[in-house]
Amino acid sequence: NAGVTQTPKFRILKIGQSMTLQCAQDMNHNYMYWYRQDPGMGLKLIYYSVGAGITDKGEVPNGYNVSRSTTEDFPLRLELAAPSQTSVYFCASSYSRWAPVLAMAFFGQGTRLTVV
Amino acid sequence: QQQVKQSPQSLIVQKGGISIINCAYENTAFDYFPWYQQFPGKGPALLIAIRPDVSEKKEGRFTISFNKSAKQFSLHIMDSQPGDSATYFCAASKVETSGSRLTFGEGTQLTVNP
Repeated sequence: NAGVTQTPKFRILKIGQSMTLQCAQDMNHNYMYWYRQDPGMGLKLIYYSVGAGITDKGEVPNGYNVSRSTTEDFPLRLELAAPSQTSVYFCASSYSRWAPVLAMAFFGQGTRLTVV
Repeated sequence: QQQVKQSPQSLIVQKGGISIINCAYENTAFDYFPWYQQFPGKGPALLIAIRPDVSEKKEGRFTISFNKSAKQFSLHIMDSQPGDSATYFCAASKVETSGSRLTFGEGTQLTVNP
């Protein structure tokens, strides 16, 4: 099935460890986004990308890094994990910059990360 | 800073009733106002969206009402069904050269009792 695939689905990290959350889409979408969702809160934008080689910060980028070497992949890197990064992370992609509000945005199923 | 405020946090409605979720925003530069529906363990999915120059948009049982002067918009779910039980997020979108940036409300957990 076409769509946005996130791996892993669940992960437990110890404080100070690092990891990469993977996101891949097979719809040839230019725009990709990383959000985090804390309990009882809406999604907050971490980073986004308009295409390969181009990334930009969102609302809450501190503690994260991204890269976009291909159109398909948009990994999110956590360095020195902290308990405050315990959250559910969603990757999303869209065909155009208008797409998120025109029923063209696709979200992955999320990665539930716990930092202990 | 929270630019989109959503209420109520949770809502319980009987089957066949009307569910109403409200949002208020602060930034008048927003371009679109979408609503997302999220089931447990799933990512959000776009439900319906409205432009700020339209006062109402209806799609099936779902209606957005938009009040530009009050900077408020709401989602009405008519004839609510148990299958509508989910978390609903309002959002406001600002389109920029590098993409569309969505600011989300805190979410409303809707339970529709049979």
